[in-house]
Amino acid sequence: DAGVTQSPTHLIKTRGQQVTLRCSPKSGHDTVSWYQQALGQGPQFIFQYYEEEERQRGNFPDRFSGHQFPNYSSELNVNALLLGDSALYLCASTIQGFSNSPLHFGNGTRLTVT
Amino acid sequence: QQQVKQSPQSLIVQKGGISIINCAYENTAFDYFPWYQQFPGKGPALLIAIRPDVSEKKEGRFTISFNKSAKQFSLHIMDSQPGDSATYFCAARISGSARQLTFGSGTQLTVLP
Repeated sequence: DAGVTQSPTHLIKTRGQQVTLRCSPKSGHDTVSWYQQALGQGPQFIFQYYEEEERQRGNFPDRFSGHQFPNYSSELNVNALLLGDSALYLCASTIQGFSNSPLHFGNGTRLTVT
Repeated sequence: QQQVKQSPQSLIVQKGGISIINCAYENTAFDYFPWYQQFPGKGPALLIAIRPDVSEKKEGRFTISFNKSAKQFSLHIMDSQPGDSATYFCAARISGSARQLTFGSGTQLTVLP
């Protein structure tokens, strides 16, 4: 049973560029959340997708956008990259209908902005 | 009010000792408190979780103690092993927030052999 998978594992971009990160949820999960983890910090919630719609959003600018596909996979897009966007981006999945369903995290995409 | 404050930032324990990590929160709307373990190059993995209607939960060598009146909770790792060396995060979730977790800043645990 595959867990949450993310691609790519590492990415280097230049300031001002755009980036797309991808996530496949754990089998049976229908809800995907994205978190940003800066070096030495805890993950910070970016947004959550369920039924192909953004359901909740953290304190991140509109440069951060996402999408969820009918197969529950998801993308995170970041436009106009800033040096401060350098971080580990984590995808987490869960089952929406079960309040006790925990979040399962992928191993993340390490984004470096130069 | 959304913050979860975690301490200490780093912890060094001898093999076989007890590791204790503490967290405090302000928002009384939090209703679920998980602990995550993260190894270098990996995503966080759920270790153990508790709800505020119980004061303690134990799973193997890991115990959460919860003090609702003080708005504090802690993770105890008994008989700590070198393989427990990792970064530990406490987190909290608001009731009805659809799985949005607020994380602490993390504790880097080193267990010496």
